[in-house]
Parts: sequence; structure tokens; C-alpha cells
Amino acid sequence: QKEVEQNSGPLSVPEGAIASLNCTYSDRVSQSFFWYRQYSGKSPELIMSIYSNGDKEDGRFTAQLNKASQYVSLLIRDSQPSDSATYLCAGRDYTGANSKLTFGKGITLSVRP
Amino acid sequence: NAGVTQTPKFQVLKTGQSMTLQCAQDMNHNSMYWYRQDPGMGLRLIYYSASEGTTDKGEVPNGYNVSRLNKREFSLRLESAAPSQTSVYFCASSEAGGDYGYTFGSGTRLTVV
Repeated sequence: QKEVEQNSGPLSVPEGAIASLNCTYSDRVSQSFFWYRQYSGKSPELIMSIYSNGDKEDGRFTAQLNKASQYVSLLIRDSQPSDSATYLCAGRDYTGANSKLTFGKGITLSVRP
Repeated sequence: NAGVTQTPKFQVLKTGQSMTLQCAQDMNHNSMYWYRQDPGMGLRLIYYSASEGTTDKGEVPNGYNVSRLNKREFSLRLESAAPSQTSVYFCASSEAGGDYGYTFGSGTRLTVV
């Protein structure tokens, strides 16, 4: 298993719906998790971070972390066409001398007007 | 506030040519990173520098060298470019350990023919 996996996608939802993006991780990755949004041709942009079990809400975005099941999810409520992008899940990899972020391959979200 | 600045934005090289990708950050971050992004592969870590004066290999270091010139600057060098190095390269920086996530530069789109 890769350290961070995003296997579902691409995902298409109608405008106003809830988009649910999921990510699983291995034992090498722990403690800190991040969701990045990347528009086509642009660089990744940090939108959410989560460090402890449970939910963390920021506007229309909710990140969920379940350490027992080793998954992280991102919910986007009231999805808008401007949310159409690739979403990257990342976790901190503690192998080696220094920790660094390891990324999943990303999930492409399309919000239909 | 410029954040992370990468140069050049676009580059075409012939096989066997060399070049250096430049990266500079003005956020006083200790750690800097070089990633490459290929379709279907996500972001893969090439090299990173946890602090000034140190560098470490990431997941895909072969064919690359790096220099942490000072706290602000971290360069990536391709000594003899190969078509397999055609990719989008992102530089990123973070506080030590990356607890607050990474800030990415705008990327360099490199084509090796």
C-alpha cells in the first residue's frame, strides 16, 4: 500500500450538492493531514489541515479524520462550479531523518452547473 | 509578499543538456522541497532541505542534484536531461517539520526533447 491513497474519481456532482472526497493512509503517515486544491495549470493551494480525530469545519469545507480506520475525508457543501479542481490529500511521512509530506495522486472534482 | 518564486516558468531542453531550476522564498521558512508532478502520478518528492546546510533525497532523486544556497534559496539541477524528466516541477517551503503545510511556487513546466 502506498503511504497515501486516493483511489476514487473522477467525481462529478451537480451544483449545490455535497462532494465527498476520500483518502486512506498507511502506518508510515500519521499525525498531520492536509487537503490541497489544484486548478488546472496552477500550483497546489492549501485549503484544510487536520491533526486530531473528528471533524474540522471551515466555511463550506469539512475535513474528517479517523485514525483507527486510517482515513481522511473532505466534504464540500453547496458545491459551486468554482470548486471544480483536483484535490490532493497529503500526510506527514516520518520515515527518514526528517518528516515530509507525501501526497496522494489526487481526485478530480467536476461541479455541473 | 511574493511567497515562493520559481524561475523559469517554462523551458524546453534537448536531451543531454543541463539546466538549473531556481527557487526562492521570502517567508523565513526553514525547510524547502522540490517535487515533480506527472499525469496519474501525483506529486513525488525529488529532494528536500530540512534546514539551511542540509539536503536529503526524496522518492525520485536519480538524475537530479540540489543546492541549498542560503535560507532563502534552493536550486534543482539537471546535469544531463532525459525525456523521462519532462514534467512540471514545484518548489515548496514550510516551517520546520511542515506542521502548517507547504506553500508552493507557481511551477516550472519542463519539456525534454
